[in-house]
Amino acid sequence: QKEVEQDPGPLSVPEGAIVSLNCTYSNSAFQYFMWYRQYSRKGPELLMYTYSSGNKEDGRFTAQVDKSSKYISLFIRDSQPSDSATYLCANTGNQFYFGTGTSLTVIP
Amino acid sequence: KAGVTQTPRYLIKTRGQQVTLSCSPISGHRSVSWYQQTPGQGLQFLFEYFSETQRNKGNFPGRFSGRQFSNSRSEMNVSTLELGDSALYLCASSVGQGSYGNTIYFGEGSWLTVV
Repeated sequence: QKEVEQDPGPLSVPEGAIVSLNCTYSNSAFQYFMWYRQYSRKGPELLMYTYSSGNKEDGRFTAQVDKSSKYISLFIRDSQPSDSATYLCANTGNQFYFGTGTSLTVIP
Repeated sequence: KAGVTQTPRYLIKTRGQQVTLSCSPISGHRSVSWYQQTPGQGLQFLFEYFSETQRNKGNFPGRFSGRQFSNSRSEMNVSTLELGDSALYLCASSVGQGSYGNTIYFGEGSWLTVV
């Protein structure tokens, strides 16, 4: 079992839709959770960072962590074509563990 | 503030050759880690260097090696290249060592194609 499992997608939504991206993790010792966004042929860039259960909001983005079920989510409100990218969830144990990424396309 | 810089961005090598990739971290960052990214496996951790010492290593064969210099710049080397080594190699830097409480910032990556 991989440390982090992520729905691979691809996901295609119309502009303005609410997007939900999800990951599960296996190790309850994981404390820090991150979401990265990766545009085509670019390196991943940090989008959200949280270390506690609950919600963290940043503009149109909300990261949600449920440690009891080992489930993390990223919600994107009012999605824009510029949000089209691959989204990677990451957790930290003795090293960073990344999901395989979910490819998102927002159609104008 | 300049980000993480990786060179070269693209390269093509032949099976059996070796390759060296370079990474300059964000100024003030002392930790450099390397990742391999492929469509099937996603991002996989190679190794981390802090203060010129390898602190952590992923599950890759000994053909993959790295080093860090006193100015925190890092290089990784892959010897006896195989077709399966074709991937995007990403360097990431952070202020401190390890993963707990740290945030890592990635470079644009080096695209390696082995033919």
